[in-house]
Amino acid sequence: SQTIHQWPATLVQPVGSPLSLECTVEGTSNPNLYWYRQAAGRGLQLLFYSVGIGQISSEVPQNLSASRPQDRQFILSSKKLLLSDSGFYLCAWSMELTSGNTIYFGEGSWLTVV
Amino acid sequence: KQEVTQIPAALSVPEGENLVLNCSFTDSAIYNLQWFRQDPGKGLTSLLLIQSSQREQTSGRLNASLDKSSGRSTLYIAASQPGDSATYLCAVEGNTPLVFGKGTRLSVIA
Repeated sequence: SQTIHQWPATLVQPVGSPLSLECTVEGTSNPNLYWYRQAAGRGLQLLFYSVGIGQISSEVPQNLSASRPQDRQFILSSKKLLLSDSGFYLCAWSMELTSGNTIYFGEGSWLTVV
Repeated sequence: KQEVTQIPAALSVPEGENLVLNCSFTDSAIYNLQWFRQDPGKGLTSLLLIQSSQREQTSGRLNASLDKSSGRSTLYIAASQPGDSATYLCAVEGNTPLVFGKGTRLSVIA
């Protein structure tokens, strides 16, 4: 069966520090991968999605970047965090973009920028 | 740009009641609509997926309907239980990945 892992689960980072959140999927090949952010009062916002290694689509211009160095690995990064980067980050995967396949979410990473 | 709205934002009901959560979306050109459940501080769990050609889907005490032309969906929960307490999110998929509503926070009181 397929599983998705993301880490760390919780982190507190000072403003200006770098960020790296990692997500891996097991039990499937060539998944579509997503990073969402959930901030208070703003709902779930799609940040990046990827349909293959090295292919990244950005939905919202911001202080963050994403990379997909391997088929089942998706990394969210920042060189210098802002206070506004605080939130709950969720990694997700599905098969075939826009084809009606269920999307599966990781357990999320709480980021507090202080 | 697709926008998804969920009403009400929060709902509190006594155990055993039937209830309806509402979702509306602005662009009817969708492939599917999904309902998710999110427990506090956790990821999302998919509950029901309705393809654009379908009118409804059922899973246990949950029934979701879709009226694509009017841009509306409802999630019906029968005989609510305290364990149903969570935030329920609606999301639509069109030419871009899922767009989510802000959710309805449900509390079922024992």
